[in-house]
Amino acid sequence: NAGVTQTPKFRVLKTGQSMTLLCAQDMNHEYMYWYRQDPGMGLRLIHYSVGEGTTAKGEVPDGYNVSRLKKQNFLLGLESAAPSQTSVYFCASSSGPSSYEQYFGPGTRLTVT
Amino acid sequence: DAKTTQPTSMDCAEGRAANLPCNHSTISGNEYVYWYRQIHSQGPQYIIHGLKNNETNEMASLIITEDRKSSTLILPHATLRDTAVYYCIVRLRSEKLVFGKGTKLTVNP
Repeated sequence: NAGVTQTPKFRVLKTGQSMTLLCAQDMNHEYMYWYRQDPGMGLRLIHYSVGEGTTAKGEVPDGYNVSRLKKQNFLLGLESAAPSQTSVYFCASSSGPSSYEQYFGPGTRLTVT
Repeated sequence: DAKTTQPTSMDCAEGRAANLPCNHSTISGNEYVYWYRQIHSQGPQYIIHGLKNNETNEMASLIITEDRKSSTLILPHATLRDTAVYYCIVRLRSEKLVFGKGTKLTVNP
């Protein structure tokens, strides 16, 4: 099993450009999450999904949109990138709300110039 | 308000036990203590969790004080690969994870 994978690993955008980050998991998990991590900070939750077709806002949702059309995939979109969105983005999944463990992907390093 | 307090950084000699403290004086009766770690630039990794009793798995031991106001993560024989940021998180099972800044553990040869 690959676990949680993220595409791409690195990306550089210009201000105003758009892009989509893809997260895929092969563990049949119901819950999926998108986090961002800035230098010297812990992870902050952007959006999450409790099942196929559902999404919900996390701690820092502004400037991002998400979609969960298939159970195994969770997409994070930036419609108009801003320098403040320069960060490392991590996707995670878990089997449910009471699951002890979240499984994290390797991260996507995004730079917006 | 932060639910946990951890030292910013710690050092440990390779082969020795690493004891990472966490203060959670406002913990409620149904909240669990979780530990995750993040090795440089990688995604966080679950280590262990507990409610009241001490817990041990293949990675670490978790010691929770009787009043549950603090806990200690123990890595019994630290290796260089254990160098990472360690996050202590307190939450209800149904709540989302909230990561603080954690403790930067450096294992020295």
